[in-house]
Amino acid sequence: KTQVEQSPQSLVVRQGENCVLQCNYSVTPDNHLRWFKQDTGKGLVSLTVLVDQKDKTSNGRYSATLDKDAKHSTLHITATLLDDTATYICVVGDRGSALGRLHFGAGTQLIVIP
Amino acid sequence: EAAVTQSPRSKVAVTGGKVTLSCHQTNNHDYMYWYRQDTGHGLRLIHYSYVADSTEKGDIPDGYKASRPSQENFSLILELASLSQTAVYFCASSDAGGYAEQFFGPGTRLTVL
Repeated sequence: KTQVEQSPQSLVVRQGENCVLQCNYSVTPDNHLRWFKQDTGKGLVSLTVLVDQKDKTSNGRYSATLDKDAKHSTLHITATLLDDTATYICVVGDRGSALGRLHFGAGTQLIVIP
Repeated sequence: EAAVTQSPRSKVAVTGGKVTLSCHQTNNHDYMYWYRQDTGHGLRLIHYSYVADSTEKGDIPDGYKASRPSQENFSLILELASLSQTAVYFCASSDAGGYAEQFFGPGTRLTVL
């Protein structure tokens, strides 16, 4: 059973627009949640990690929220650029160390058009 | 800059043949991992290792072996490749703690015919 669900599956936006990606999960315990960016044909690159019960982070044009009570996270991308075209993957860790397991979502494919 | 590299980047293998995927990291990390990625699915853990000369089974180890001859190197071995093992394979490394951010290689696209 999929424990990390991402929506939408794919999204097309025009350059300069904002977008929001969603992540819902059922992983227990949920120690932390990380968002990755995966460019086509490349590996995953971490964007941000959320840890607290209700957490917010910001990394340039990327901002994220986490609500552990709702088991829900969002990734906001402001003023999108063509280089933001990629797959964004939500990952939930069940421990705060390498001894834990990571649970991966299938990703949201974002396409930014001129 | 610390990095995880994989070789080959792509490979075509025949059913029943032996395939070895290699991973090398310069992060000085103790932990290394092998995942497979299938279209429409999240990454799944095949094998991992937290010290040289030792490997552990992940969530989907059947049909795969792993080898960690040194801290820097971690290999994934398919003794008898099957059609169902067509996928993209990722290697990653991490420290033991600090939310254990994993650093990923670029992936190897394996096609079994």
